[in-house]
Amino acid sequence: KAGVTQTPRYLIKTRGQQVTLSCSPISGHRSVSWYQQTPGQGLQFLFEYFSETQRNKGNFPGRFSGRQFSNSRSEMNVSTLELGDSALYLCASSLWASETQYFGPGTRLLVL
Amino acid sequence: AQSVTQLDSQVPVFEEAPVELRCNYSSSVSVYLFWYVQYPNQGLQLLLKYLSGSTLVKGINGFEAEFNKSQTSFHLRKPSVHISDTAEYFCAVSSPTNTGNQFYFGTGTSLTVIP
Repeated sequence: KAGVTQTPRYLIKTRGQQVTLSCSPISGHRSVSWYQQTPGQGLQFLFEYFSETQRNKGNFPGRFSGRQFSNSRSEMNVSTLELGDSALYLCASSLWASETQYFGPGTRLLVL
Repeated sequence: AQSVTQLDSQVPVFEEAPVELRCNYSSSVSVYLFWYVQYPNQGLQLLLKYLSGSTLVKGINGFEAEFNKSQTSFHLRKPSVHISDTAEYFCAVSSPTNTGNQFYFGTGTSLTVIP
């Protein structure tokens, strides 16, 4: 089976712009979670989607949003980018009620 | 909510020496436990997991971990490390909620293997 894929792998934006990141889960996986990873904060949970519904949400401002499509692919959007949004954004997929998350390679976002 | 503590942020060790990376979690309720490894510029790769059964879990690349319920710990060990083990290691805990399993990650331990 193909693993979790994320596009794009690298992205450079300027403050105030918006960005959309994409994640395709492992075939058959219906849950997709998003994390932000920074050197100072480690992995921070953003949100989780299952069957096109947001099930869990972390403690991030409303500028961070996401959605999931009927084929389980997910997108994450960040509006009005700030310098502090520079990070590695990781997507992970799992089966329904699965105990294991499988991660993609991440999208590295740099905000100038 | 759970919290996961990785006591050592950086661990230097000589090649072929043993290593232990420590992980403690906050709650004693039923949980699943994981160790992930992250190589530079890559995502997280699952090393091993504890779901139930034997408290000693063996994973890939010669790593193993022991679940200790009374001490709420899940320490990762390897008897002899290689240069290629240099990476960031994350401990994670999964707790059941009424909307699925919620994952909590530690802040990571950077393992540096010295030739």
